[in-house]
Amino acid sequence: SQKIEQNSEALNIQEGKTATLTCNYTNYSPAYLQWYRQDPGRGPVFLLLIRENEKEKRKERLKVTFDTTLKQSLFHITASQPADSATYLCALSGGYNKLIFGAGTRLAVHP
Amino acid sequence: DAGVIQSPRHEVTEMGQEVTLRCKPISGHNSLFWYRQTMMRGLELLIYFNNNVPIDDSGMPEDRFSAKMPNASFSTLKIQPSEPRDSAVYFCASRNSGSVTSTGELFFGEGSRLTVL
Repeated sequence: SQKIEQNSEALNIQEGKTATLTCNYTNYSPAYLQWYRQDPGRGPVFLLLIRENEKEKRKERLKVTFDTTLKQSLFHITASQPADSATYLCALSGGYNKLIFGAGTRLAVHP
Repeated sequence: DAGVIQSPRHEVTEMGQEVTLRCKPISGHNSLFWYRQTMMRGLELLIYFNNNVPIDDSGMPEDRFSAKMPNASFSTLKIQPSEPRDSAVYFCASRNSGSVTSTGELFFGEGSRLTVL
């Protein structure tokens, strides 16, 4: 069956360090992968998209990699700040109209 | 732009009652999605519409759930009768699908928190 796995345990890191979150998937052939941020009591907010033919994408302090052989995406936040504390969700689409989400990983950045 | 608008933000009801959740997508967006989020199951896709037509409703849990999109600016998700296990946050999201410049990103509303007693 199709499955998207993200670390269920919270990731705790010190301010200034790089946070790395993992998204693994099985039985999917996504055309692209997206990452979202969700704050408590709010809807998810889009951060980055990476296509299947792209290895890496950057946006300010964010970097996403996409390895279709390993079926894995890594999401990095460099020079992390307490304001980066949130839940981060990965989402896959095999086609243009359907987007399936992982359960998310909660990140806590401590001062 | 006002973003995706959902109502009500909070709903508390008793088992067996009918619940209707409403969504107004972003103007110009032609795809609309209903998701349900719980701690146990995360964010689950229930149904999505493209150009007001339901494309995939395989995520709808059972016949008690129904969704409509009578026009491009309005959608409803109805639960009848409601049960305690339906308690969750229900999100509506929209996007502009099919445009050559579209990244496919979803714009979410703030959600409707449903509690069924």
